[in-house]
This record gives sequence, C-alpha cells and structure tokens, in this order.
Amino acid sequence: DTAVSQTPKYLVTQMGNDKSIKCEQNLGHDTMYWYKQDSKKFLKIMFSYNNKELIINETVPNRFSPKSPDKAHLNLHINSLELGDSAVYFCASSQSLSKAGELFFGEGSRLTVL
Amino acid sequence: AQSVTQPDIHITVSEGASLELRCNYSYGATPYLFWYVQSPGQGLQLLLKYFSGDTLVQGIKGFEAEFKRSQSSFNLRKPSVHWSDAAEYFCAAGGATNKLIFGTGTLLAVQP
Repeated sequence: DTAVSQTPKYLVTQMGNDKSIKCEQNLGHDTMYWYKQDSKKFLKIMFSYNNKELIINETVPNRFSPKSPDKAHLNLHINSLELGDSAVYFCASSQSLSKAGELFFGEGSRLTVL
Repeated sequence: AQSVTQPDIHITVSEGASLELRCNYSYGATPYLFWYVQSPGQGLQLLLKYFSGDTLVQGIKGFEAEFKRSQSSFNLRKPSVHWSDAAEYFCAAGGATNKLIFGTGTLLAVQP
C-alpha cells in the first residue's frame, strides 16, 4: 500500500491550459506539502497544510491553488500553464508540523508544458 | 540568507569503496539537518536526521553522518558502497519555520 500517492505521474499539456495533480496519504499524518523540483533537481517548498489549514505559501504565482478537502488529501490546481511551470511536483507528508523535516514523499508528477 | 551547499555535483566510486558526501549549511542557529536519497523516477526517502546530542548519527541502509558545528557541515558517509546506492543524495536543513531548505544534490554513480 503506497504511503503517499499522487496522480497523474506524467502530464503533458499546452501553454494556457489548466491542470490538477492529486495527492493522498494513508499514514494518518497531519501535515502535507507540495514541493517543486526543477530541471536542475533543485527542490523548493511551495505550500504546506496542517489539518487542512494553509501554513506555508511561498512566493508562488497565484495561478497555483492548493486545496485540502481533508487532512489526507492535498491537491494542486494550476491555471494558465506557462513553459516555466515544467517541473516535477512532489507531494509529501509529515506526522506533524514539528516533524516538518521528516518527510514522506510521493513519486512525483512530471509536468511538461509545450 | 539560509542555504545548504553540496559542493560535489557528481561523484563516482567503486563498489566496496568508502563514500563521503559533503554538505555545508548557512543558518541563523543550529538547524535540524537531514539527508535524503532519491532513486531515479522516485520520490525522496529520508536516510537520517540530526536534531541535537550525539554528533554522529546512524541512518538506514548503513549510512551515517557527522555534524560539525565548527565547520557548519553535515557530511554523509558509508564504509562500503553497494551498486544499489547509486542515486541522487540531498542534504537539507530546517528549523522553527518548518520549511526545509534543500541542497542541490549530489549524484552518486557506483562502478562495478
């Protein structure tokens, strides 16, 4: 049983389209995250939610909108996709905010914008 | 500004040889420190962590890391590398802000 699962694994789309990535964790964790890994493998936090409440919102364009319907799910919706949005997006979870460094990652969703 | 530096982009070692991956951090106070491993096409997996106390920490898969405050370093080591250790390794630092700052990674290749 996959602990942190995200779908889809691959996304290829045109500029200007809207897309969503879904994430679910079955670990019973309170805190979930979205990280972006660029083509140089640099990993940067985008958002974090704790018990459905937004905690961290980095300087991400407002075209990116996370949604957490419950503490086991954190989805990411991206409007008006741009070439620079091409990256691998990782969902992660941690037991709590105080364990924000002990992350469990999904396998990533590779987004390619043409 | 807070940062994590991994000076080596790419390292190749022979199977059975010892390994040391370097990590330096710049942080206001002593951060929590972590090493993660990423196999191709996979998410990251936590290898080990340092919060406080004993400066030599043991992790999974036979890895260990040593925290050296005077050098602002947290280097990862393994006495004998296996072919399955070939992967990308990320050092990370975090603290009260709950934001992990990652280094740019070191790609480890293992020669037979």
